[in-house]
Amino acid sequence: GEDVEQSLFLSVREGDSSVINCTYTDSSSTYLYWYKQEPGAGLQLLTYIFSNMDMKQDQRLTVLLNKKDKHLSLRIADTQTGDSAIYFCAVILSGTYKYIFGTGTRLKVLA
Amino acid sequence: GAVVSQHPSRVICKSGTSVKIECRSLDFQATTMFWYRQFPKQSLMLMATSNEGSKATYEQGVEKDKFLINHASLTLSTLTVTSAHPEDSSFYICSARAQGQKGTDTQYFGPGTRLTVL
Repeated sequence: GEDVEQSLFLSVREGDSSVINCTYTDSSSTYLYWYKQEPGAGLQLLTYIFSNMDMKQDQRLTVLLNKKDKHLSLRIADTQTGDSAIYFCAVILSGTYKYIFGTGTRLKVLA
Repeated sequence: GAVVSQHPSRVICKSGTSVKIECRSLDFQATTMFWYRQFPKQSLMLMATSNEGSKATYEQGVEKDKFLINHASLTLSTLTVTSAHPEDSSFYICSARAQGQKGTDTQYFGPGTRLTVL
């Protein structure tokens, strides 16, 4: 079945860039997503990328997609303390509408 | 746009009682909603897919008689945890699939419901 992996933790200093990585096994997902979860809250859609794109930029967020390596990344420029949260990548399970979530990366921003 | 609400946000109940959680899409119609369960410091586990006007589809290992799902309208799905026990304590999150929105097949998530069974 589909397997989506992320590193568990990332710590950066305020003002630096953060790069959160995600690898997946099934490359048929039409869209790939990044969600943010703050403590005790639901998931907030940050951005998504269409599978035929290599890059998408949205203000401080840049998504890079390497389909050959099945690697997705989220770069947050000028990281702020408010960016501290858990970030999940998600792909769509082939032939369904179901999401398969990564394990989540806990981003800690140090002041 | 694409706002999903959940009610209640937090519930504490005694063992053996049933608890109903509502999930509403506020500004769009959702023929498909999803129910997830999230354990502390873990990712989301899909429990079931809720389809408007038909029976829910449950993931393997999820008891359909324990977790009753009803999707009575295009904007409302409910999850009822029947005869709740302490091991059912968890964070339950719903999502609604948006069709025709920018980014087809995007799921928008509710804020979650923290269930504590004493």
